[in-house]
Order: sequence, then C-alpha cells, then structure tokens
Amino acid sequence: EVQLVESGGGLVKPGGSLKLSCAASGFTFSSYAMSWVRQSPEKRLEWVAEISSGGSYTYYPDTVTGRFTISRDNAKNTLYLEMSSLRSEDTAMYYCARERRDDGYPLAMDYWGQGTSVTVSS
Amino acid sequence: DAVMTQTPLSLPVSLGDQASISCRSSQSLENSNGNTYLNWYLQKPGQSPQLLIYRVSNRFSGVLDRFSGSGSGTDFTLKISRVEAEDLGVYFCLQVTHVPYTFGGGTKLEIK
Repeated sequence: EVQLVESGGGLVKPGGSLKLSCAASGFTFSSYAMSWVRQSPEKRLEWVAEISSGGSYTYYPDTVTGRFTISRDNAKNTLYLEMSSLRSEDTAMYYCARERRDDGYPLAMDYWGQGTSVTVSS
Repeated sequence: DAVMTQTPLSLPVSLGDQASISCRSSQSLENSNGNTYLNWYLQKPGQSPQLLIYRVSNRFSGVLDRFSGSGSGTDFTLKISRVEAEDLGVYFCLQVTHVPYTFGGGTKLEIK
C-alpha cells in the first residue's frame, strides 16, 4: 500500500524558516518524481515544487522560487521541502504527492499524503 | 500560466441524479506529444485529494464507472452518474501539461 506521511509543520514567524519531510513507503521511491502541493485556508490548491526521481531536476512556480527548495534522500525514502523567508501567504496545509509519468511527461499526482499544517504569523 | 476556471462553484444535487462539472483552461492543454494532461480529483471532508481521472478520460485504479471525463483543447467535463452520498465533497481539475501546474478553484458537490 502506498503511504506518504508528512511532518515538520508548525507555527513560524514571518521571515522564518521551516523544513518539511515526507516519508514514503509501499513503492519504489527512487523510481518516482515527487511534488509538494499546498492548500490555503480558503481551500485553493497550489503546486509548489517538483523533483525528478533521481533528484537532478527541480521545478518551482514563481511564487516560491528562491525561497523554497525541494530535495530527496532515496536511501531514506524521504522527500523534503525547505522553506525560508516565509510570508503570511505561505500559511497552508502542505501535501506531498507521488507523480506518475507518461513516457517522461508528468501524467498525474496519483497518491497524496494527509498533509502537515504550516502557519506563518507573528 | 494556464488559468483553470471551474464551474459551477457549488452544485446541489439529489441522490441518484447526474452531475456535470466544467473545467476551462486559458490555453490549450494538448502537449507536443499529442496527449492532454488534465486530471480530476475529489477531496472529501477532512481528507487529501484523491485521483479520479487522468489524461482527460482515464479512470484511476478503483474508480467506479459512474465517473467519466471528456473534453479536449481548453474545455473539459467531469460527469458523475447516479450520485451517491460517498461522492460528496469538492472536485478539482489539475493540468500538468504546462509548468507551473495549475488547479481549478473547485466545485462543491452537495445534497439539494
């Protein structure tokens, strides 16, 4: 059974930093690209980072580029998201998601974790 | 960025009815390989999103045939036939053809 378990969320002040983790099990972690997606308190979903299966390639939207860094440790079956210069608008539930690929192209985020909550407030 | 617009925002239905949700993109979602990477998700209360449909019309593993997806280019539809209580929640479309990947705003399926 595919399982993704996020951790590391919490309350942080504006300008602060936080590192999220996502522990994967039930599949060959090193064979899949992975993403982080966040959901605002208003329930809007936003993709915030993607990393290739081997970790060589990473992608971000403009809203987090330069502030967020996605990484992975395939030996530990763990995905990470380092967040810095946090703003109030980064307040959200953060989900990690596995990606299926279609001949090298992203196909779908097929399994999601239950999320970890991040609140940015003074 | 591909802006995804879902309608309606809220969809009151009676159990057993058919429901239809629209998702429109601001640009074509057909990739250079000829495929269209538009997916549909259901988020039940208190849960994370679960994949229903991928690449416009393909049902994910375990998804019942009451759920069907269609469309092309910029216009897509999710149909749910014979709505059951377990289908209630918020439906989202997601495009992964263009970076950044973008979601629709969601459609809440609720009991009339």
